[in-house]
Amino acid sequence: EAGVAQSPRYKIIEKRQSVAFWCNPISGHATLYWYQQILGQGPKLLIQFQNNGVVDDSQLPKDRFSAERLKGVDSTLKIQPAKLEDSAVYLCASSSERDQPQHFGDGTRLSIL
Amino acid sequence: GEDVEQSLFLSVREGDSSVINCTYTDSSSTYLYWYKQEPGAGLQLLTYIFSNMDMKQDQRLTVLLNKKDKHLSLRIADTQTGDSAIYFCAEIDSSASKIIFGSGTRLSIRP
Repeated sequence: EAGVAQSPRYKIIEKRQSVAFWCNPISGHATLYWYQQILGQGPKLLIQFQNNGVVDDSQLPKDRFSAERLKGVDSTLKIQPAKLEDSAVYLCASSSERDQPQHFGDGTRLSIL
Repeated sequence: GEDVEQSLFLSVREGDSSVINCTYTDSSSTYLYWYKQEPGAGLQLLTYIFSNMDMKQDQRLTVLLNKKDKHLSLRIADTQTGDSAIYFCAEIDSSASKIIFGSGTRLSIRP
């Protein structure tokens, strides 16, 4: 089966600019996750969707980060405006259900200048 | 809150066994996972164990779970250069709402 697809692979922007990331989960997976992985750390959950509804966004900095999964399939994560501390790899993962193993994409590496 | 801890580095000789250790705090975790991350890639699920199991073996991988001590380990037999990566331990909390990752153990292989 095809894995989780993410784009772009790399993005470089200046602080205060906007950026968006896209994720296409494994076909049929109801649950989709966005993680932030800062260099040298494990991934930190930003937001979790079950179909097109938000299950957990408690760690999402809502003043600048937003995410949507309008049709319950693809998802986009946006940062507006970006700060230097947002430099990280943004990982998307999906699972067939909430308590099933998660499968990860290769991530988008974001650098803020 | 929940926490998962791992040592940062492990160096082993090629052909030896590697043992990566992890401790966690949520005694009601239902699943515990091991993921592998190679440079520039996402996390690859290696194996997982249900909390009602003590051991799981899958080819060169052996997972041991000590629920009393909240200790999880991953043993890689006959470690090869391709096993060089960062290994993450993770637990899923009892409500299945989120997965908590450790900071990862960087495994390096010496000839």
